[in-house]
Amino acid sequence: AQSVTQLGSHVSVSEGALVLLRCNYSSSVPPYLFWYVQYPNQGLQLLLKYTSAATLVKGINGFEAEFKKSETSFHLTKPSAHMSDAAEYFCAVSGAGGGNKLTFGTGTQLKVEL
Amino acid sequence: EPEVTQTPSHQVTQMGQEVILRCVPISNHLYFYWYRQILGQKVEFLVSFYNNEISEKSEIFDDQFSVERPDGSNFTLKIRSTKLEDSAMYFCASSDITSGGNSYEQYFGPGTRLTVT
Repeated sequence: AQSVTQLGSHVSVSEGALVLLRCNYSSSVPPYLFWYVQYPNQGLQLLLKYTSAATLVKGINGFEAEFKKSETSFHLTKPSAHMSDAAEYFCAVSGAGGGNKLTFGTGTQLKVEL
Repeated sequence: EPEVTQTPSHQVTQMGQEVILRCVPISNHLYFYWYRQILGQKVEFLVSFYNNEISEKSEIFDDQFSVERPDGSNFTLKIRSTKLEDSAMYFCASSDITSGGNSYEQYFGPGTRLTVT
């Protein structure tokens, strides 16, 4: 069975500050890990993914995440927050192989303040 | 850029009625999925579909639910007799398959908000 835990349902940062959204996973098989972003009243957009290649993954909009097997973590970071980053962020895990379902975390609402 | 589309964007129905939610996956994708998100909760997997059959389903996906790929482009989710607790945002997703037989990057549609009254 696979699961993800996102610590902090709400995170607030100042514009220009570091963004750190935490995700820890549990998986009995080598995991594939994803971060998705959901803007209000919109669908899920893929930010980045880890699929057993480089452990530091760069995504869109300046976000990156590092896969740390020893810590079972896949935290999302961005050096400098922008107002447009305000959204809900979901971490998700799947197994390797074809057609595997995504198991999502409960999400972290990011607020960016002036 | 290719995208997953869903219709309608919002569906209101009465309890006990049948609804069909429609999705057009990305054209060269081979895996199709439905997820749902009850207001304020996390996104939950319902079902995955490959080669014209269900490849995996969750415990949520009971006999009231069915999926179909009626033609070469559409992928539908049917709820036979809706309940109040079926009210949620339903997302369709699709993914490609690599030369190694893996698929992992799922592209999501904008969702259909289903309201059961």
